[in-house]
Amino acid sequence: ETGVTQSPTHLIKTRGQQVTLRCSSQSGHNTVSWYQQALGQGPQFIFQYYREEENGRGNFPPRFSGLQFPNYSSELNVNALELDDSALYLCASSLTGTSSDTQYFGPGTRLTVL
Amino acid sequence: GQSLEQPSEVTAVEGAIVQINCTYQTSGFYGLSWYQQHDGGAPTFLSYNALDGLEETGRFSSFLSRSDSYGYLLLQELQMKDSASYFCAPAGSYQLTFGKGTKLSVIP
Repeated sequence: ETGVTQSPTHLIKTRGQQVTLRCSSQSGHNTVSWYQQALGQGPQFIFQYYREEENGRGNFPPRFSGLQFPNYSSELNVNALELDDSALYLCASSLTGTSSDTQYFGPGTRLTVL
Repeated sequence: GQSLEQPSEVTAVEGAIVQINCTYQTSGFYGLSWYQQHDGGAPTFLSYNALDGLEETGRFSSFLSRSDSYGYLLLQELQMKDSASYFCAPAGSYQLTFGKGTKLSVIP
């Protein structure tokens, strides 16, 4: 167990809806990264938050947005859901967010868009 | 552009040794990470190479050659529980880049 938790475990939405996914980081970690993992693919970097500020972003449209709170928990929001958004969404916390830092992944949220 | 190549599938016998190769082309390369992911599970960290050479952690070793943009993960004394997907992930300044991974099947 990594100490990183995510909720909900599974979620079903319909196209056009909005969704919020939540992540609690490992104690003492001030950095959280979000990844999307489609079936049979590797995780794709969405963005990273460091001390409540977005620290970097992957190739995802603006309808993917996030927040990090003072206790370093985090949210991923996706607006105007599309069928291709169906995937496992993973958050990973790390101590400092530097590249050499180990990222500890949560169990993920399985999102299905119908 | 960016590219990442590793074999899609590897099968090996319990107790044997297997090497999973990774070649990459990325901008802003800081080091190479390896992660393991069992079906239905989350990726878990195995190793990180910032410098050229071999890093050993128990049954697992990882190698990096920056000049060749190449690395490998070596798994020794394979066990059935090693059946999983293995990802090499070049590290940028803050993000990891994952490819499709290598699905390792360990057979008796």
